[in-house]
Amino acid sequence: DAGVTQSPTHLIKTRGQQVTLRCSPKSGHDTVSWYQQALGQGPQFIFQYYEEEERQRGNFPDRFSGHQFPNYSSELNVNALLLGDSALYLCASSPRTGGYTFGSGTRLTVV
Amino acid sequence: RKEVEQDPGPFNVPEGATVAFNCTYSNSASQSFFWYRQDCRKEPKLLMSVYSSGNEDGRFTAQLNRASQYISLLIRDSKLSDSATYLCVVNIGAGGFKTIFGAGTRLFVKA
Repeated sequence: DAGVTQSPTHLIKTRGQQVTLRCSPKSGHDTVSWYQQALGQGPQFIFQYYEEEERQRGNFPDRFSGHQFPNYSSELNVNALLLGDSALYLCASSPRTGGYTFGSGTRLTVV
Repeated sequence: RKEVEQDPGPFNVPEGATVAFNCTYSNSASQSFFWYRQDCRKEPKLLMSVYSSGNEDGRFTAQLNRASQYISLLIRDSKLSDSATYLCVVNIGAGGFKTIFGAGTRLFVKA
């Protein structure tokens, strides 16, 4: 049973560039949430997608956007990258009632 | 004030010790509660849910006090393999929910 898969695992981008991160949820899960985790911090909630719509959003600027596809997979897009966007980006899938399974994350470095 | 607050630690304990972590949450609309464990440079993994009546899973006991908006995790007979960061997690809202993580408490168990 495949868990949550994220791609790529590592990424280096330059300030001002745009990035797209991808996530395939665990089989049977229809809700996808994205988190940003800076070094030494807990995961910070970015947003959650269900039925291809953004349902909840944390305190992140509009530079952070996402999408969910009919097969429940999801993308996180970040525009106009800043040095402070360097972090581990975690995707978590769940059934509607909760109980997350996390992917191993994408480590983004902005230089 | 952060929505979920934890003592960052670190807690340094010898093998066999009992250690307790506390967590407070500020949003009274919080519906469900969890403890996650995160190893260094790995994704968070669900350790256990937290129920109002308190619940136990082997050496781990979780307690919830809704009146005080307080959650705890007790680890008995600590093992070296318990060394990790423990994240307190709160789901806010019913139906569409937002999951908020604490910054985590670091535990080091030493021989």
